[in-house]
Amino acid sequence: GAVVSQHPSWVICKSGTSVKIECRSLDFQATTMFWYRQFPKQSLMLMATSNEGSKATYEQGVEKDKFLINHASLTLSTLTVTSAHPEDSSFYICSGKQGQETQYFGPGTRLLVL
Amino acid sequence: KQEVTQIPAALSVPEGENLVLNCSFTDSAIYNLQWFRQDPGKGLTSLLLIQSSQREQTSGRLNASLDKSSGRSTLYIAASQPGDSATYLCAVNSGGSNYKLTFGKGTLLTVNP
Repeated sequence: GAVVSQHPSWVICKSGTSVKIECRSLDFQATTMFWYRQFPKQSLMLMATSNEGSKATYEQGVEKDKFLINHASLTLSTLTVTSAHPEDSSFYICSGKQGQETQYFGPGTRLLVL
Repeated sequence: KQEVTQIPAALSVPEGENLVLNCSFTDSAIYNLQWFRQDPGKGLTSLLLIQSSQREQTSGRLNASLDKSSGRSTLYIAASQPGDSATYLCAVNSGGSNYKLTFGKGTLLTVNP
């Protein structure tokens, strides 16, 4: 099956700093990538959808100026959490798909903001 | 807005038991439904995908059914093993321009040896 990687797998940062998470589709071209957030014992909540070369579409309640998403190529999308605060601590998972195909998920990135 | 509910939230069974996990969704106009497994602190592993035109899918000891009109799906696990212990997530794809997924909160399964 298709493989999606994320880097880093975990990150600890100080409050107020920015953190960038990379999501790569390794063996397919992801025309669409999705970013999810998962709090403990909660389900995955979609944050935003990005199509290659276009601006991301954010879900209601997600601040686009805080969570910057770039999908500049068919194999790479980045999520930057700007001025991170402790409440941003969460598990961030990306997925990619090609056309109408199923989504393939990355292994996730755990963010801890101190 | 699509909402997905999974019952029970947690389930503990002895090894060897057959079990059923339930998923319900509010909008029956779906494109497909997918069951995932998530181990603690890990990403998602796709188990089964059922297209809206299908009634069930099988893979090994797993069988997933779909009743679109009533907004329900079940995941049946036969002869459970300790290695099946994980959180099982149901996700509904409502189609549309990006085929977004709506997830349930999951069922935490523990299979005791």
